[in-house]
Amino acid sequence: DGGITQSPKYLFRKEGQNVTLSCEQNLNHDAMYWYRQDPGQGLRLIYYSQIVNDFQKGDIAEGYSVSREKKESFPLTVTSAQKNPTAFYLCASSLAGGLSEQYFGPGTRLTVT
Amino acid sequence: QKEVEQNSGPLSVPEGAIASLNCTYSDRGSQSFFWYRQYSGKSPELIMSIYSNGDKEDGRFTAQLNKASQYVSLLIRDSQPSDSATYLCAAADMEYGNKLVFGAGTILRVKS
Repeated sequence: DGGITQSPKYLFRKEGQNVTLSCEQNLNHDAMYWYRQDPGQGLRLIYYSQIVNDFQKGDIAEGYSVSREKKESFPLTVTSAQKNPTAFYLCASSLAGGLSEQYFGPGTRLTVT
Repeated sequence: QKEVEQNSGPLSVPEGAIASLNCTYSDRGSQSFFWYRQYSGKSPELIMSIYSNGDKEDGRFTAQLNKASQYVSLLIRDSQPSDSATYLCAAADMEYGNKLVFGAGTILRVKS
């Protein structure tokens, strides 16, 4: 059963704590992405990776970090430096390049108080 | 800053009618465009992609692209209450080949 999984679905943290969101795909896709969605707004790109051991900053990378040690996995760490971390976080993957369709995981809703 | 603009809505249509959703984009170099449907509290689901000028049909959905006018639209025929959702338009940023620029979405409400 191919797809993208994200865990956990809901995450609650206290301010000042780092938290890592999981994203795994078994679609054999080369590229993976992290987006953030705030209420009433479109998706904003945080980081993306085209190949293993390589990744690039998106539009809003400050306060976030990623790794891509395996093709299937692209975890996102929300650090204490991120000023407004409460949001809906979406992971996506695609075969390659911007011409390819991106498919999304179910998302993780992070609440920081 | 490259942008994709959509009317936020809500767009209300009666059941069985045609819903027309529109989107404009600022990057004249964009070659790929996508429509996603997002139900409340869920992640976006890809429903259409379009790369060439003209129309592309898939079931009740038709995507239309006019690169000269930098305009993309999505038509939903025989609209159903289950089509009620937010529709996101996205354009590929050719300067950064893997990046999609998303609009804020149009809320569609289909009334039975």
